[in-house]
Amino acid sequence: EDQVTQSPEALRLQEGESSSLNCSYTVSGLRGLFWYRQDPGKGPEFLFTLYSAGEEKEKERLKATLTKKESFLHITAPKPEDSATYLCAVQAGGATNKLIFGTGTLLAVQP
Amino acid sequence: EAQVTQNPRYLITVTGKKLTVTCSQNMNHEYMSWYRQDPGLGLRQIYYSMNVEVTDKGDVPEGYKVSRKEKRNFPLILESPSPNQTSLYFCASSLLPQGRGEQYFGPGTRLTVT
Repeated sequence: EDQVTQSPEALRLQEGESSSLNCSYTVSGLRGLFWYRQDPGKGPEFLFTLYSAGEEKEKERLKATLTKKESFLHITAPKPEDSATYLCAVQAGGATNKLIFGTGTLLAVQP
Repeated sequence: EAQVTQNPRYLITVTGKKLTVTCSQNMNHEYMSWYRQDPGLGLRQIYYSMNVEVTDKGDVPEGYKVSRKEKRNFPLILESPSPNQTSLYFCASSLLPQGRGEQYFGPGTRLTVT
């Protein structure tokens, strides 16, 4: 069964304390993996797309990496404005052609 | 400004009373989707549209209808809402087919069915 699991469910960091969020997946034929940020009361906002193992993307303090089984979202020296829920989504290939979202990691960065 | 708009943002209704949630995008995107977001379950796709008059069921289509008569609009229709349809709903659009590029999400519609 196609599945996307994000961990931890919640993470509290001090400002400047770097960490990583995990997205592990089990799908038949990965077509793409997406990271989104969601602020309270708003729709998800696109961050990155990764298509193949070994690929990396960066944007400001965020860096996304991809292996054959999981993706990491690394946050370097986070600031309070990085506080949000981070969602991972995987596009499965084959007959299913499904876009499957994880349940997200709620990140709180304290000053 | 490129955006996806949804209306209403908040709606409280009673079981069985038909309702429509509107969605409009100004980016000339061909692809549009509806999702519902529930605690512990994440975002689940309800319906997907590849173009005008072309739609496909997502993971949880039961109890919902959609129509795509114009490229910019993709309304979600609940013919006979039930309490288990209480949820946060998002409309999204994209330039590329599902899984090939980013989606732009609307601000959400919080629906409560009593």
